Amino acid sequence: SQQGEEDPQALSIQEGENATMNCSYKTSINNLQWYRQNSGRGLVHLILIRSNEREKHSGRLRVTLDTSKKSSSLLITASRAADTASYFCALGDDMRFGAGTRLTVKP
Amino acid sequence: EAQVTQNPRYLITVTGKKLTVTCSQNMNHEYMSWYRQDPGLGLRQIYYSMNVEVTDKGDVPEGYKVSRKEKRNFPLILESPSPNQTSLYFCASSSSRRRTEAFFGQGTRLTVV
Repeated sequence: SQQGEEDPQALSIQEGENATMNCSYKTSINNLQWYRQNSGRGLVHLILIRSNEREKHSGRLRVTLDTSKKSSSLLITASRAADTASYFCALGDDMRFGAGTRLTVKP
Repeated sequence: EAQVTQNPRYLITVTGKKLTVTCSQNMNHEYMSWYRQDPGLGLRQIYYSMNVEVTDKGDVPEGYKVSRKEKRNFPLILESPSPNQTSLYFCASSSSRRRTEAFFGQGTRLTVV
């Protein structure tokens, strides 16, 4: 079974900038989810995107899914210090997680 | 408040001493699962349960047991813990296995010495 591969592993930006992180996978999936984890705490669901969807928005979050390239991206616009966390993609109904992207937003 | 509750939050134990980590959800969810999180490896699924009395192995089930006698509870049992089971453990639940968001507990940090 496959795991998502997030890229980059770590990202450091200034408050107000946009943050983009990517998730790639190898075999077809029917949905993909993004989760956030604050240091050592439980994961919080952000967005679920289905294989027949190309883009979804939730507040400052924008998720895209390109099934031809087998990749998804999570964009956080106008980032805040409170967005500092690790972000994970989870693949399919089995929810296979990758190692995550650690985002640091500097005030 | 909808939540998944794990206990204990922190546990230090010795090799071979049986332990149980409890997990309870108050959302009447059918699907529950256990993950372990290790640096650089992300979350790996240990066991999952589709409903009461229905459990199945995930990717890393060795050394673990689970049971699902009631819908709300899904305990994780380590019969004979070893140091390689030192990890951060998460319980999660969702209304079904398919295409729904999962709710996670706050985690249990286990150290086996």
